[in-house]
Amino acid sequence: DIQMTQSPSTLSASVGDRVTITCRASQSANNWLAWHQQKPGKAPKLLIYKASNLESGVPSRFSGSGSGTEFTLTISSLQPDDFATYYCQQYRSYPYTFGQGTKLEIK
Amino acid sequence: EVQLVNSGGGLVQPGGSLKLSCAASGFAFSDSAVHWVRQASGKGLEWVGRIRTKVNSFATEYAASVKGRFIISRHDSRNTAYLQMNSLRIEDTAVYYCVPSLTFCGGNCYDWGQGTLVTVSS
Repeated sequence: DIQMTQSPSTLSASVGDRVTITCRASQSANNWLAWHQQKPGKAPKLLIYKASNLESGVPSRFSGSGSGTEFTLTISSLQPDDFATYYCQQYRSYPYTFGQGTKLEIK
Repeated sequence: EVQLVNSGGGLVQPGGSLKLSCAASGFAFSDSAVHWVRQASGKGLEWVGRIRTKVNSFATEYAASVKGRFIISRHDSRNTAYLQMNSLRIEDTAVYYCVPSLTFCGGNCYDWGQGTLVTVSS
C-alpha cells in the first residue's frame, strides 16, 4: 500500500498569509494525487486533481504541485472561508489512500 | 448539476447487515467507476472500495478491512450504486460517501454528496 503522510498536522495562520501543506507518498504516486477540503460537519470537497489541476469552481488562490512522492498544496492568500482540514489522496494504485489531514486554524 | 445522494444508513447491531444506496444525477454515471469512502467521527478518510463500469466487467476492489464482508454493486439504468455491508463490526461505524472516479470526473463531475451515517452498536 502507498502510505501518505501530510505535514504539518496542524497549521496556524492569519487571513492574507500564504500557506503550504506537504504530502509525501511512501512510493511513487506519479501525478495521481488529489487534494480535498473538509469543513466541520460537512462532506469533503475536491480542490485539486492530478496533482496540479484546479477543480471547476475552486478559487485560483489554491494551487497544487509535485509528482512522484512529494506534493504540495498552496493557498496564496488565506481567506476566512479557507480555515478547514485538508486531505491529500493518492489514486495511483489500490488501495487508494489518504493522508491523515492537516487542520488549518486561525492564528 | 452533479448530485450524489446517499441513503440507507442507520443503527445496526454488531454482526448485522445494512445496504447503502447512492443515487447519482447530472453526469454519465454508467461511464464512471464508483468508489465508497468512509469517515469515523473525528477521524480521517478511509477508502472502502470501488466498482468499475460495464465495459470493465463491473470489476471490484476492496480495502483489506472490509474485504469478504462488503459488496459493491451498481444498477446503471437506475443511476445507482450500492454498498452491501455484512458482518458489521463496531469499527465500521462511520459516515459513508460514494464518489465517482477521479480520473473520469476530475474537472467536471466530481462530487462527494452528503454521506450517510452507519452506527454499529448493541
